[in-house]
Amino acid sequence: KAGVTQTPRYLIKTRGQQVTLSCSPISGHRSVSWYQQTPGQGLQFLFEYFSETQRNKGNFPGRFSGRQFSNSRSEMNVSTLELGDSALYLCASSSLSGAGRGYTFGSGTRLTVV
Amino acid sequence: EDQVTQSPEALRLQEGESSSLNCSYTVSGLRGLFWYRQDPGKGPEFLFTLYSAGEEKEKERLKATLTKKESFLHITAPKPEDSATYLCAVQSQGGSEKLVFGKGTKLTVNP
Repeated sequence: KAGVTQTPRYLIKTRGQQVTLSCSPISGHRSVSWYQQTPGQGLQFLFEYFSETQRNKGNFPGRFSGRQFSNSRSEMNVSTLELGDSALYLCASSSLSGAGRGYTFGSGTRLTVV
Repeated sequence: EDQVTQSPEALRLQEGESSSLNCSYTVSGLRGLFWYRQDPGKGPEFLFTLYSAGEEKEKERLKATLTKKESFLHITAPKPEDSATYLCAVQSQGGSEKLVFGKGTKLTVNP
């Protein structure tokens, strides 16, 4: 069974540019969540999608956005990149078949803003 | 606001030297407490979910326990391959899938 696939694995962007990251969840999983991981703040919740609807959003500026497609694949976009956006961006998927079941994470996209 | 504090930040053990990692939490109604393991350059790997105080779960050399205010991850006779960062996260009741993570404990097991 394939795991959560995130592309690309590494990305270098210039300040002011925008970037789009992709996440393909485990087959059959309909919930996709995104997290930002930095050495100083650890893992912080960005947003969660279920059946193409954003159900919850973390405390991040509006430059961070996302969407989910009918096949459950998800993308997140960061516009007007800042140096502080450099981080590991992680996607997690869940089947939601039981309360509090484990979420499977992808290997992440390492974004470096220069 | 839900909060998770993990201690210690880093722990160095000799192979075979058992120890425990702590996760203290405050949450408005616990739906689940999660333990993950993260290796460098990889995403977190799911270990356990605990749902209520008194619950315990085991997997190989790892045992997770839960009280109303904290969780412990006990590591018995660790091996070098157990070296990783261990993350604790909580999920509150209310339907959101949001996990609130601690900053982790970096465990190093020397041969």
